[in-house]
Amino acid sequence: DAKTTQPPSMDCAEGRAANLPCNHSTISGNEYVYWYRQIHSQGPQYIIHGLKNNETNEMASLIITEDRKSSTLILPHATLRDTAVYYCIVRVHGANSKLTFGKGITLSVRP
Amino acid sequence: GAVVSQHPSWVICKSGTSVKIECRSLDFQATTMFWYRQFPKQSLMLMATSNEGSKATYEQGVEKDKFLINHASLTLSTLTVTSAHPEDSSFYICSARDRNGELFFGEGSRLTVL
Repeated sequence: DAKTTQPPSMDCAEGRAANLPCNHSTISGNEYVYWYRQIHSQGPQYIIHGLKNNETNEMASLIITEDRKSSTLILPHATLRDTAVYYCIVRVHGANSKLTFGKGITLSVRP
Repeated sequence: GAVVSQHPSWVICKSGTSVKIECRSLDFQATTMFWYRQFPKQSLMLMATSNEGSKATYEQGVEKDKFLINHASLTLSTLTVTSAHPEDSSFYICSARDRNGELFFGEGSRLTVL
């Protein structure tokens, strides 16, 4: 699976949008971009994934650049409960592939 | 979404004893499950891939005789930490893949070896 790079941390104010960047310049044509988050002492939680089109669900939006070399996860109205480590991962969808975690980005939402 | 349950959620044991952690997919069949370990302030490290009815595939550096994995049914995989020592204290997390290839994670099991 291709590697991703994320800044180590960022913060945002409660109620504001949190934009979490991710670089995946070596992504292959059949690899999807996945986002998971891990709240302290819990298992990772799936957020969203996409191939090339922007995606939105009840949790977040995923914006993927046209060249697919980077993406941004957007939490439109961050709450204190969104404080977590967010992992951006690229993997082949539906295949016998592992999910390899990098260091992720720690998002701190401040009151 | 699909639910994956781990048991126990936390366990404390004495050095030298063995501990078994269960991972169950509650509402789907999982032909493949993954086991991760996470030390404090670090990311998840993949330990092994468990396929139903066959031997697990271990990542480099993970001792297969120490971390015994059994995946006897489509809804249950177990990880047994044999002869546990304090350095095995960690947060163990499983993940199960459904038929569509999506991955779902358990809540994690915290092991403390005294």
